[in-house]
Amino acid sequence: DVKVTQSSRYLVKRTGEKVFLECVQDMDHENMFWYRQDPGLGLRLIYFSYDVKMKEKGDIPEGYSVSREKKERFSLILESASTNQTSMYLCASSLSDIQETQYFGPGTRLLVL
Amino acid sequence: GQNIDQPTEMTATEGAIVQINCTYQTSGFNGLFWYQQHAGEAPTFLSYNVLDGLEEKGRFSSFLSRSKGYSYLLLKELQMKDSASYLCAVKGTNAGKSTFGDGTTLTVKP
Repeated sequence: DVKVTQSSRYLVKRTGEKVFLECVQDMDHENMFWYRQDPGLGLRLIYFSYDVKMKEKGDIPEGYSVSREKKERFSLILESASTNQTSMYLCASSLSDIQETQYFGPGTRLLVL
Repeated sequence: GQNIDQPTEMTATEGAIVQINCTYQTSGFNGLFWYQQHAGEAPTFLSYNVLDGLEEKGRFSSFLSRSKGYSYLLLKELQMKDSASYLCAVKGTNAGKSTFGDGTTLTVKP
């Protein structure tokens, strides 16, 4: 079974703090994704990566950056957290461009005060 | 870009059949996914259609018409555990990337 894990289920941070969200997958998947999910707005893609050290902006990259130094790990960074970044953050991975089924982690619910 | 529309909410009765529709307008199309998401949990894969027609998998079936930009997810013999949000996602031509609809929240009542 594919396993995607995220470093925290719940996180509370203060405005202006730097926040790191970690995601690890154990199935040698090439593609990894970060989404945020908000009521009424659905799943929105922040960034994705199709290879180590490669990244591409999604639909809402502003205020975020990512890092993929190893194939199994994809990190989302909030350089200076703001209250409008309070959300559920979901990480996902997929095997390759051919096999596009995405496998999701359990999510991190982030509250920025 | 991609534009995906699905109803916000639906209600159905245990044992019945329900059809959840998804329409899309895309600049490129390489397949359509359906995911199920229970409250407080991560989405899980249900089905994938890339060719026109019906794909059946147990109680769940998914249909695609590429010429109409239309798909539906059909759930038969509804069970209470089918109460969840159902997400339609379209894979475009940008490698690896899918765009998700806002999801349809299905409530199954006894």
